[in-house]
Amino acid sequence: DQQVKQNSPSLSVQEGRISILNCDYTNSMFDYFLWYKKYPAEGPTFLISISSIKDKNEDGRFTVFLNKSAKHLSLHIVPSQPGDSAVYFCAALKTSYDKVIFGPGTSLSVIP
Amino acid sequence: EAQVTQNPRYLITVTGKKLTVTCSQNMNHEYMSWYRQDPGLGLRQIYYSMNVEVTDKGDVPEGYKVSRKEKRNFPLILESPSPNQTSLYFCASATPGPQRRQYFGPGTRLTVT
Repeated sequence: DQQVKQNSPSLSVQEGRISILNCDYTNSMFDYFLWYKKYPAEGPTFLISISSIKDKNEDGRFTVFLNKSAKHLSLHIVPSQPGDSAVYFCAALKTSYDKVIFGPGTSLSVIP
Repeated sequence: EAQVTQNPRYLITVTGKKLTVTCSQNMNHEYMSWYRQDPGLGLRQIYYSMNVEVTDKGDVPEGYKVSRKEKRNFPLILESPSPNQTSLYFCASATPGPQRRQYFGPGTRLTVT
């Protein structure tokens, strides 16, 4: 039973438009949510995070929104660039419980 | 340069032949972890370590062992590899604090025939 779900395996977006990647979770006790980006033949790299006590966090072109009542978060990339083409993983953790749970990932293609 | 290194990057082996994948970090992180990445399943945590001599099972620990004798090193051991352990493996270390922001190694592609 997957606790963190990313229901879209892939997404294609035109350069300059908004990319929206979605993530759903089942455990309401998660304290933090993180997004990682992964290019082929490389390890994932941290992108942005959000605490469960917030509903929005922004870093440049990247914004993460958290809807706790729906157990849903989304990553917005505006404007999308070809270099954003990668696999994006959503991750969740409960700080008193040391495991980190990752979703299956969404492959984003930004078309020039 | 802050980094996590893994060796080897690629490994092809046969069923039952013991192997070790090494992992080392130079950031003095206490928390380290191993993951495997499989299509459609994302990253699944195998083992993690909160500090030297402290290790615990993740979600898929069967068939794996780890040790943490020094803070910088966290090797992954497959005592008797099987074909279902063919996967892409990542080691990671994490910053202190509740977010556990992780730094990942470049990955080890393991094939067990």
